Amino acid sequence: ETGVTQTPRHLVMGMTNKKSLKCEQHLGHNAMYWYKQSAKKPLELMFVYSLEERVENNSVPSRFSPECPNSSHLFLHLHTLQPEDSALYLCASSRGTSSSYEQYFGPGTRLTVT
Amino acid sequence: GESVGLHLPTLSVQEGDNSIINCAYSNSASDYFIWYKQESGKGPQFIIDIRSNMDKRQGQRVTVLLNKTVKHLSLQIAATQPGDSAVYFCATGGDSSYKLIFGSGTRLLVRP
Repeated sequence: ETGVTQTPRHLVMGMTNKKSLKCEQHLGHNAMYWYKQSAKKPLELMFVYSLEERVENNSVPSRFSPECPNSSHLFLHLHTLQPEDSALYLCASSRGTSSSYEQYFGPGTRLTVT
Repeated sequence: GESVGLHLPTLSVQEGDNSIINCAYSNSASDYFIWYKQESGKGPQFIIDIRSNMDKRQGQRVTVLLNKTVKHLSLQIAATQPGDSAVYFCATGGDSSYKLIFGSGTRLLVRP
């Protein structure tokens, strides 16, 4: 058990829907991350939060909106997505944002946009 | 731009043999290197890391080798077991965790 949970595990949504992905970490970490993992492509960092403040936004389209209400929870709000947004969305956490701190990943949410 | 690439998309090995997974990176300023393992239906799991001031580091049944001259990184798994079947990918970076560049992964298949 990695200590990072994600819900839902699978999500199918239409292009006009609004949905949210939830991540919770039980490790007492201060940094949380959203990654996108597409088939046969490298992991892409989307957002980084440190102590509930966003420290990185990797040119992600505005149809993805992150929210970090506290250091244990991270959300990714989705609206008017495109079929190419179908992917595995991974959440991770770490003690801090130094590369010395290991990132612990959740199991991911498999998103399909129809 | 920076890139990290793995040499083989799939590697098939006999149970009990040693496995070697290779990774090449482009940024000579990278000073931190990590290997991850991702099993089906799970998120990536940290295996081992190495800093640029070292050229070898060993863990339990795993060894990471770093050749900065040719910008090459490898992961060696000794006595490969069925439980080692997974996708392995490397990542390179600097001081910040959010500057990591990930490779696309090599799928390791272990034949009984």
